[in-house]
Amino acid sequence: GENVEQHPSTLSVQEGDSAVIKCTYSDSASNYFPWYKQELGKGPQLIIDIRSNVGEKKDQRIAVTLNKTAKHFSLHITETQPEDSAVYFCAARVAEKLTFGTGTRLTIIP
Amino acid sequence: DAGITQSPRHKVTETGTPVTLRCHQTENHRYMYWYRQDPGHGLRLIHYSYGVKDTDKGEVSDGYSVSRSKTEDFLLTLESATSSQTSVYFCAIRGVSASGFNEQFFGPGTRLTVL
Repeated sequence: GENVEQHPSTLSVQEGDSAVIKCTYSDSASNYFPWYKQELGKGPQLIIDIRSNVGEKKDQRIAVTLNKTAKHFSLHITETQPEDSAVYFCAARVAEKLTFGTGTRLTIIP
Repeated sequence: DAGITQSPRHKVTETGTPVTLRCHQTENHRYMYWYRQDPGHGLRLIHYSYGVKDTDKGEVSDGYSVSRSKTEDFLLTLESATSSQTSVYFCAIRGVSASGFNEQFFGPGTRLTVL
């Protein structure tokens, strides 16, 4: 089955700096790659998603890039703010099944 | 929260007892999912349903069963709970994201502790 690896597991950045989280996947049949943000005590919430026929997508301060050949995709957060502190998960989908990475705990230092 | 509620939100039980977790949705979504979340493992799919009485296994289905007798409710049962099933359980539905893609939206979670 699909295997998704996510790095780093923890990340601390100064407020206003950029943060980058990277994921790799194994199944070339994966065609959809969402990113989720999870705050303490809550369920994961979708923040951005990309399909396999697109290389990059941006939504305000958040962007995702996808390299199908290398089977990796990344989340970029610019101008980080304290409210960006959370756990972030990448995922890859084949048919109905989402496979998640193990998560990155992002801490924004004021 | 896409109209998803989970009950109970917290439960402590003993090894060997049966446990049922309930997921309820109010928006008539066809697909529903159960995940467990554990440190170092992210979220892992237990079972999912693609309609009333239609279910399929995920990657960690051993020790779990599910039932869906009506569209709005998806039940997860641990027939005989074990300590390895201590986890946070999330229900999800398939909806449409702001981008127009089919995507999963998650409920608030149930924290289960098996002593």
